[in-house]
Amino acid sequence: DADVTQTPRNRITKTGKRIMLECSQTKGHDRMYWYRQDPGLGLRLIYYSFDVKDINKGEISDGYSVSRQAQAKFSLSLESAIPNQTALYFCATSRGAVGEQFFGPGTRLTVL
Amino acid sequence: AQSVTQLDSQVPVFEEAPVELRCNYSSSVSVYLFWYVQYPNQGLQLLLKYLSGSTLVKGINGFEAEFNKSQTSFHLRKPSVHISDTAEYFCAVSDPDSSASKIIFGSGTRLSIRP
Repeated sequence: DADVTQTPRNRITKTGKRIMLECSQTKGHDRMYWYRQDPGLGLRLIYYSFDVKDINKGEISDGYSVSRQAQAKFSLSLESAIPNQTALYFCATSRGAVGEQFFGPGTRLTVL
Repeated sequence: AQSVTQLDSQVPVFEEAPVELRCNYSSSVSVYLFWYVQYPNQGLQLLLKYLSGSTLVKGINGFEAEFNKSQTSFHLRKPSVHISDTAEYFCAVSDPDSSASKIIFGSGTRLSIRP
């Protein structure tokens, strides 16, 4: 009974394809985040959302877009995937401004 | 802007030996500090956090960290490691005075335990 779920867990796609990664949470948190993880670089913030009507760019938003369909759902899209978007993607949630975040299991994306 | 430096990308230690994973952050008037752990093929989970109060913070699995404001450090320690501690560890910082509640992560330290 995972609190933060991500689908798919693994995806292989080709350059130029449109890809959507989905995140759902049952924690009732208002804030949701998308990160990518690359070896040796830690986690880098792509987008974050404080509620359904509030979307903000992170440090590496180019090439990505997001949609907050409901408080519990936050999707990440790659409109035209490229090989350097091959990475591990994590969704996270938090409540309020304290900062502690709760992570999903990750989606491993490979762009050929 | 806040930044976090994890000084060691990899730390090999023998089982039952003590370990220290180092973390330094850029100076700020106030900070929240975190250590997260990522076991193989899993997401990140919180080990411990410093928000205020006592500078020695105890977390799960026998880990603890000490907030040192003068040295802008938040090193993670465990007196005796187990094989099950093999994982990647991330130090992270956020600014409590910011409404953004963004967390800045370090690049990670991979802890490998030798039997």
